[in-house]
Amino acid sequence: AQSVAQPEDQVNVAEGNPLTVKCTYSVSGNPYLFWYVQYPNRGLQFLLKYITGDNLVKGSYGFEAEFNKSQTSFHLKKPSALVSDSALYFCAVRDASGGSYIPTFGRGTSLIVHP
Amino acid sequence: EAGVVQSPRYKIIEKKQPVAFWCNPISGHNTLYWYLQNLGQGPELLIRYENEEAVDDSQLPKDRFSAERLKGVDSTLKIQPAELGDSAVYLCASSLDQEGGELFFGEGSRLTVL
Repeated sequence: AQSVAQPEDQVNVAEGNPLTVKCTYSVSGNPYLFWYVQYPNRGLQFLLKYITGDNLVKGSYGFEAEFNKSQTSFHLKKPSALVSDSALYFCAVRDASGGSYIPTFGRGTSLIVHP
Repeated sequence: EAGVVQSPRYKIIEKKQPVAFWCNPISGHNTLYWYLQNLGQGPELLIRYENEEAVDDSQLPKDRFSAERLKGVDSTLKIQPAELGDSAVYLCASSLDQEGGELFFGEGSRLTVL
């Protein structure tokens, strides 16, 4: 079985400050890890993914995430937050060793960036 | 390139009425997903198609929900009869059939059952 935990329902940060949105995962084998963003009344948009290789993954809009196998984490980060980054963020995991292509999503974290 | 297209965006019906949602995936994407998203929750899989074949449908409430993907392209998700608890956003997504492929989501269809 695979699962994802996003321990924070909401993250508040001031514009210009660094942000971190946390994600931990559980899979039987090696993970494929994803971050998606959802703006109000919109579908989810892909931000970045970790498949293999470098633990630091860079994605859209200046976001990056660090894969930490020992801590089973894949936290989303950005050096300088923008008000326009305010949205819902979802972490997802898929077991790379399994035959299913179905990712499991976390509950989501609401990021609020204050001017 | 056009993204995943869903319709209708919004639907309000009374309980016990039927409703249908339509999805057109990105051209060339042979894998199609229907997800359910309740308010404040992450997406939960209802059904996944590989071309025309439903390969993961264990989470689909088959007593009232049905889905089809004729010709391996467009897909329709139907609920009959709808219940109050079906009020949610129904998301369609597609992906290429490859290792580690990300999903591309449509805007979603928001259903309100009165």
